[in-house]
Amino acid sequence: GAGVSQSPRYKVAKRGQDVALRCDPISGHVSLFWYQQALGQGPEFLTYFQNEAQLDKSGLPSDRFFAERPEGSVSTLKIQRTQQEDSAVYLCASSLALGTSGRAGEQFFGPGTRLTVL
Amino acid sequence: SQQGEEDPQALSIQEGENATMNCSYKTSINNLQWYRQNSGRGLVHLILIRSNEREKHSGRLRVTLDTSKKSSSLLITASRAADTASYFCATDPDLGSGTYKYIFGTGTRLKVLA
Repeated sequence: GAGVSQSPRYKVAKRGQDVALRCDPISGHVSLFWYQQALGQGPEFLTYFQNEAQLDKSGLPSDRFFAERPEGSVSTLKIQRTQQEDSAVYLCASSLALGTSGRAGEQFFGPGTRLTVL
Repeated sequence: SQQGEEDPQALSIQEGENATMNCSYKTSINNLQWYRQNSGRGLVHLILIRSNEREKHSGRLRVTLDTSKKSSSLLITASRAADTASYFCATDPDLGSGTYKYIFGTGTRLKVLA
């Protein structure tokens, strides 16, 4: 079946512009994560949704970052007034319903959106 | 940084040899997972080991977990050129922490020479 898709794959923005990054998770996946990955580093957690509820946004680096998942499926990560330090690959991952541990297990990642802020 | 640490940062081996990479983390965990990322592509899940498990196998992969030392290792046996990639460990915190934050390591870049 179809995996996690993200769009656009590449985005170039001028400093100060707003951008919106889209994630289409695997159908039926309850959990959705956003990560930021700088060059040569591992992904860093940004935020987590369980269906439409944003249960953890502790990783969002500033109030310029906003994420939503209004119908519990597609999610959008919005970055306002982009800065050069926002340049990174933004990864979305989804996961099946939570297991008995109460935590998501295997995450399925999309290809990412590479954001370059000039 | 909130990231866990992995070593070595980079590893270069000949095809057929075994590759071992290590991961250390800081907080108590529920599960630990290993992921692979090929150049310019997304992450792919390899294996998950629960906090009450000490060792797990999947094909040519062997993962160990030592919760007392807060460390894990990934062994790839009989490596192939196609194993060339970056490998990341990822931990999820235990239920008492109240967070859903998965913490990834800094990664080990493995190069397998044909």
